[in-house]
Amino acid sequence: DVKVTQSSRYLVKRTGEKVFLECVQDMDHENMFWYRQDPGLGLRLIYFSYDVKMKEKGDIPEGYSVSREKKERFSLILESASTNQTSMYLCASTTGSGNTIYFGEGSWLTVV
Amino acid sequence: GENVEQHPSTLSVQEGDSAVIKCTYSDSASNYFPWYKQELGKRPQLIIDIRSNVGEKKDQRIAVTLNKTAKHFSLHITETQPEDSAVYFCAAQNNNDMRFGAGTRLTVKP
Repeated sequence: DVKVTQSSRYLVKRTGEKVFLECVQDMDHENMFWYRQDPGLGLRLIYFSYDVKMKEKGDIPEGYSVSREKKERFSLILESASTNQTSMYLCASTTGSGNTIYFGEGSWLTVV
Repeated sequence: GENVEQHPSTLSVQEGDSAVIKCTYSDSASNYFPWYKQELGKRPQLIIDIRSNVGEKKDQRIAVTLNKTAKHFSLHITETQPEDSAVYFCAAQNNNDMRFGAGTRLTVKP
């Protein structure tokens, strides 16, 4: 059974803090994604990675960066958190194009 | 990049009725179209998918149709049940890039 694990489920951070959201998958998937989910806006792609040390911008990369040093781990970084980054963040992974994408449980981030 | 539009944003049906959710996409190179169901507080789960070389696919009460020429695809749920109530997302994928629609909140009233 594929497992995508987001280590932090609920976080509260202050404006200006640096925030790390970690995602680990255990199925040797090449592709990993970070989405942000907001009511009425669906799942918006922030960044994705198709290989170690490779990354591509999605639709809303501003204010975010990512790191993929190892195949199983894809980290989302908020360099200086702002209140408009309060949201639910979903990590996902897949073996490649045309294959099922598996999601983590989500990380609820509140920036105050 | 790919742009996926999904309609309606909310849908309410009586138990036993059918529900239809429609999506359009912009990138003619997209070749994989999955549908996800997300129950309250849970992660999205794949319910059905279709590839660009197929026009229709059915799995029990759920079916998906794809019109490549018009660049739209639809989810059909027949004989709806209260447990079908959830948010449904369509998606379109081209190579490694997967984009989602804004979601449809389906409510099935008993």
